[in-house]
Amino acid sequence: QKEVEQNSGPLSVPEGAIASLNCTYSDRVSQSFFWYRQYSGKSPELIMSIYSNGDKEDGRFTAQLNKASQYVSLLIRDSQPSDSATYLCAALMNTGFQKLVFGTGTRLLVSP
Amino acid sequence: SQTIHQWPATLVQPVGSPLSLECTVEGTSNPNLYWYRQAAGRGLQLLFYSIGIDQISSEVPQNLSASRPQDRQFILSSKKLLLSDSGFYLCAWSFRPYRGLRNTEAFFGQGTRLTVV
Repeated sequence: QKEVEQNSGPLSVPEGAIASLNCTYSDRVSQSFFWYRQYSGKSPELIMSIYSNGDKEDGRFTAQLNKASQYVSLLIRDSQPSDSATYLCAALMNTGFQKLVFGTGTRLLVSP
Repeated sequence: SQTIHQWPATLVQPVGSPLSLECTVEGTSNPNLYWYRQAAGRGLQLLFYSIGIDQISSEVPQNLSASRPQDRQFILSSKKLLLSDSGFYLCAWSFRPYRGLRNTEAFFGQGTRLTVV
């Protein structure tokens, strides 16, 4: 099992809908998780970080961490066409160093 | 505030030629530094990470190397490029963790798109 796994998609949602992106992780990662957004041809930009079990909200974005089930999710409310991008889930490894690993990303398409 | 600079933005190199990509961080000290590679349509592959000068861990031995000659400078090199080295190379930094600091997010440079021909 890879450290961090994501469905590659694409996930297609209509404008205004809720987009739900999921990520599962292995026992080899720590409890620090991050969601990045990457537009085509650009570098990833940080959307949110989450360290504790439960939900964390920031504007239209909500990150959810479920340690018992080992998954992290990102909800995007009122999806906009400008949200169309690849969303990368990342986590720190349990190595004692700050080794940051990424999932392969889920492509989100928001149609007008 | 902190900024990260990465250059060049694009690069076309022939097979067998050398490579040097540079990354510098401003506005912070003792950052953790990373080099990632992203092949077309793929995820980010961690190549090297560094917690300090001359403290570099390699994830992908291949024909690439990294150096950190100064605290905020990270260089990715190759003596002879292969076609398979083509990709989007990304440098990133994060804060060095210390007591009370939990934020360990990584921030990326603009990337270098390398095409080996």
